[in-house]
Amino acid sequence: DVKVTQSSRYLVKRTGEKVFLECVQDMDHENMFWYRQDPGLGLRLIYFSYDVKMKEKGDIPEGYSVSREKKERFSLILESASTNQTSMYLCASNSPATSGRPKYQFGPGTRLTVL
Amino acid sequence: ELKVEQNPLFLSMQEGKNYTIYCNYSTTSDRLYWYRQDPGKSLESLFVLLSNGAVKQEGRLMASLDTKARLSTLHITAAVHDLSATYFCAVDSAYSGAGSYQLTFGKGTKLSVIP
Repeated sequence: DVKVTQSSRYLVKRTGEKVFLECVQDMDHENMFWYRQDPGLGLRLIYFSYDVKMKEKGDIPEGYSVSREKKERFSLILESASTNQTSMYLCASNSPATSGRPKYQFGPGTRLTVL
Repeated sequence: ELKVEQNPLFLSMQEGKNYTIYCNYSTTSDRLYWYRQDPGKSLESLFVLLSNGAVKQEGRLMASLDTKARLSTLHITAAVHDLSATYFCAVDSAYSGAGSYQLTFGKGTKLSVIP
């Protein structure tokens, strides 16, 4: 009954590496989101996408980029990883509000450590 | 910019006691969500509140929404140890560029129920 999957649960990378975090959903949702979660700060929106090849910046996009080439897949890219990007990354998806009661589905999260 | 404030951020309570977590938000919204998160895990959806005066209950948890006051509460009745977790409220806000919505989270309330 898996609906949103993320490519890795745990990831360790070195400073300066290019990092890809992958998210796949099987619910045919139009919207997909990337959040990072840090203690005391809650979840903060990095980027979101409301359609294939469309992307919008969230609250903290600096140091990140995204790619959405297919509807089911939304990738988060750290162009040059830094230690302050050590965090838990959560992917989510939903359908537009016009379809009724929107419900966000979250992935299991990726715990990224940058050394 | 939508702001969501939760309080308290930390809550330690004895089993059997009652308590309330508060969630204030800064702009008009029609939907408010409550999530639970266990350590190292993703978010579990608890409640979706869709209209003013909405009240939902599940077990020892009850959530309510007052859209006029821009306030939601999560009430815990006769707490048990299994309720120990971090609880987040989140509010939908419209992204006008695409008629879509995105979630903004509070910082979370870490609840510890002590036997």
